[in-house]
Amino acid sequence: QKEVEQNSGPLSVPEGAIASLNCTYSDRVSQSFFWYRQYSGKSPELIMSIYSNGDKEDGRFTAQLNKASQYVSLLIRDSQPSDSATYLCAVGRDTGRRALTFGSGTRLQVQP
Amino acid sequence: EAGVAQSPRYKIIEKRQSVAFWCNPISGHATLYWYQQILGQGPKLLIQFQNNGVVDDSQLPKDRFSAERLKGVDSTLKIQPAKLEDSAVYLCASSLDMGIGTGELFFGEGSRLTVL
Repeated sequence: QKEVEQNSGPLSVPEGAIASLNCTYSDRVSQSFFWYRQYSGKSPELIMSIYSNGDKEDGRFTAQLNKASQYVSLLIRDSQPSDSATYLCAVGRDTGRRALTFGSGTRLQVQP
Repeated sequence: EAGVAQSPRYKIIEKRQSVAFWCNPISGHATLYWYQQILGQGPKLLIQFQNNGVVDDSQLPKDRFSAERLKGVDSTLKIQPAKLEDSAVYLCASSLDMGIGTGELFFGEGSRLTVL
């Protein structure tokens, strides 16, 4: 079982729709959760972080965390073609100095 | 503020040859990471430094990969001898060590290695 699992996609949504990206993780002691966006040929950049159960909203992005189900998701409202990228879920085991474990990413395509 | 600098951006070598990648983190960032990203996969940690000490190198193939971070600033990752499966992008990242991790890793542009 992979430590962090994501559907590879591609997930295709029309412009203006809500894109829903999902991630599950295996390590129950994980405490920090992140979504990174990676455009083709570019390096990952952080878009959201979440540490406690529930929802966290930032502009058009909402991260959702359910530690009991070991599940984290990212919703993108009013999707734009510029949102087309690979979204990487990353999990931290503690809030100290340990490196993040990344999933393999979900490729999102927003159709104009 | 300057970002994470990496070089070279691209490298093509024959198998069994050696290669070295260089990284200079953001000024003041105590933690430096080398990740390997194979096409279609997520980044996989190779080694993590805190200042000039190694925090985690459990996934570094030590028979062929080595890394150092002298003086706690820039770092070099070396592969010798290279294998076909080492073809990947080598991402260097850095982060502030604040005791509580924010998870914000700042990545360099990466060094793309092709092994023929």
